[in-house]
Order: sequence, then structure tokens, then C-alpha cells
Amino acid sequence: SQQGEEDPQALSIQEGENATMNCSYKTSINNLQWYRQNSGRGLVHLILIRSNEREKHSGRLRVTLDTSKKSSSLLITASRAADTASYFCATDQAGTALIFGKGTTLSVSS
Amino acid sequence: EAQVTQNPRYLITVTGKKLTVTCSQNMNHEYMSWYRQDPGLGLRQIYYSMNVEVTDKGDVPEGYKVSRKEKRNFPLILESPSPNQTSLYFCASSPFSGSDEQYFGPGTRLTVT
Repeated sequence: SQQGEEDPQALSIQEGENATMNCSYKTSINNLQWYRQNSGRGLVHLILIRSNEREKHSGRLRVTLDTSKKSSSLLITASRAADTASYFCATDQAGTALIFGKGTTLSVSS
Repeated sequence: EAQVTQNPRYLITVTGKKLTVTCSQNMNHEYMSWYRQDPGLGLRQIYYSMNVEVTDKGDVPEGYKVSRKEKRNFPLILESPSPNQTSLYFCASSPFSGSDEQYFGPGTRLTVT
């Protein structure tokens, strides 16, 4: 049961540029989370935004949530080569599971 | 160090040979789950456990078994592996529920020939 869908599927930028990824989902949520995965490795939690929040910051990350449009965006400012990874949004499902999207693959070149 | 560990990290096996992938967490988390990750399909949940002796099916439970006899361990059992179970498997844990921030293990790459 796929819930979140990221857009774009792939993104290539230069170091120093900003990267924006979008996530759309279908049903009501309690929270939405973003994760990063370096090639073939475990996912790492980046940020959680609750349904009553509109924006959240963590270092170079900025996440917005628009529950009326059922969408979220992740902005990475001043990208670095080390930000090269896949990024997934995940929405909670009644406390029993996170439903992950298929991810956006970000490539940052120097 | 707070972490989720999985063993083995890589496994090549043959069809029908029972195997177990172990998962252990040292954070006293109540919730644990297993996911598989396949190209083009993303992460899909196999099973989850809300606490000791409490397990339930996720989206793709067929061909898998789990048990939760201790809080820290949540092994994934493939009684008769088939080639369509070739995948990258992740164990995850969180303090209380599937809504919390999940802590993922490093992954187990399984190939069934």
C-alpha cells in the first residue's frame, strides 16, 4: 500500500545549489518523516513533521507540510557532495507502520 | 552505542534451505519491524512487533515468519526461501510505535538461487 510518492525521481545539481524534493500522499496522516539512504545502506532519519505543523528546520534542511494538498517538500540548502543519496518520505499508518515512497535519488557534483 | 544490528550482512543460499536473519537493538525499544527493499518497489513492510510476544503482518508477509521472545531481538525466518525473496532486508526499531522515528539496521542482502 504505497502512500507517499516523491518527485522528482532523480535530481542532479552542483555543490552549493539548493535541492528540493516533493512528496505527495493519499490519506490523512499523524506525521510525515524524511529519511536518507546512502547507496545500499540503512536508512537514516532526518526529520519528522507533525500534521499540525507547517514548517520545520534542522540544520540545512527545511521541511514543509501542506495537509490540505497532502504534500510535503524537503529543501536541502547549500548542497554538498556528501548529500548524494536517496531521500524517502514516509507517512505513518495508524501507528503500526511507516509507508515509504520510492524515493528521490540526489546526485551532487563538485 | 545505540544501534540496530543485523546478521548476516550478506547471504547467498539455495531454494528451500531454511534461513534466519537476526536483528537486535540495544535501545530498549518496544516496536520492531522488518522491511524489504526492491528496485522500483521501494521499502515494503513484512512484519512488525509492538512488544514481546506481539507480532502482526505487514504488507508482504507471505513466505516469512517472525518471533519476538525477547524485547531486543526480532529474527526473520524464511522457512523455504524462493528466488523471489532475493532482496535487501532491513530491520528497524522505534521507542513505541510505527509512527515514531525509526532506527534502521545496516541491511542484509539476500540472494536465493
